[in-house]
Amino acid sequence: DAGVIQSPRHEVTEMGQEVTLRCKPISGHNSLFWYRQTMMRGLELLIYFNNNVPIDDSGMPEDRFSAKMPNASFSTLKIQPSEPRDSAVYFCASRRENTIYFGEGSWLTVV
Amino acid sequence: QQQVKQSPQSLIVQKGGISIINCAYENTAFDYFPWYQQFPGKGPALLIAIRPDVSEKKEGRFTISFNKSAKQFSLHIMDSQPGDSATYFCAASRGIQGAQKLVFGQGTRLTINP
Repeated sequence: DAGVIQSPRHEVTEMGQEVTLRCKPISGHNSLFWYRQTMMRGLELLIYFNNNVPIDDSGMPEDRFSAKMPNASFSTLKIQPSEPRDSAVYFCASRRENTIYFGEGSWLTVV
Repeated sequence: QQQVKQSPQSLIVQKGGISIINCAYENTAFDYFPWYQQFPGKGPALLIAIRPDVSEKKEGRFTISFNKSAKQFSLHIMDSQPGDSATYFCAASRGIQGAQKLVFGQGTRLTINP
């Protein structure tokens, strides 16, 4: 397996711009998770999908955040408009049985 | 009730020593307790996990001790090595509609001095 693939790995953008983070889960995994990691708040679950259907988006901080999973092999997390406090590492993860496998993260800096 | 509290925040251990990281939870519905290891610039990776029907699980130098009545669990790293230097996260979850929603502790930055 190639692992969970995320892009971009690093993004620097100006406040107010739209940011789109992309994720390709491991083939055959039927659950996908988006996490955000910051020094202050640690690892926070933003949203997760089961069989491409959003199950729980209670962790999405605001309406500026949205996530989609149009098919089993692709998901996006969009922030529009972005703000400096959105600066964080965003992880996508997929699940097989009890194990959640994380990607290497997208490092977002909003200036 | 969804919180998992982890301590200490940081830990320094000499090579060959025992590293111990502790976690406590409130939600008695949690039924899966994994530990994740994260190296700088990488995503967390599953290290070892336990279910509440056993009190201990050992894999190599890594052991989870689980105390259901106290709602606590801990990670022990025996013969700690410099390569073990990383951030460790405990987590807990219960199955919801077939998907597991992991709640993470705040993490422990472990440094093993050579």
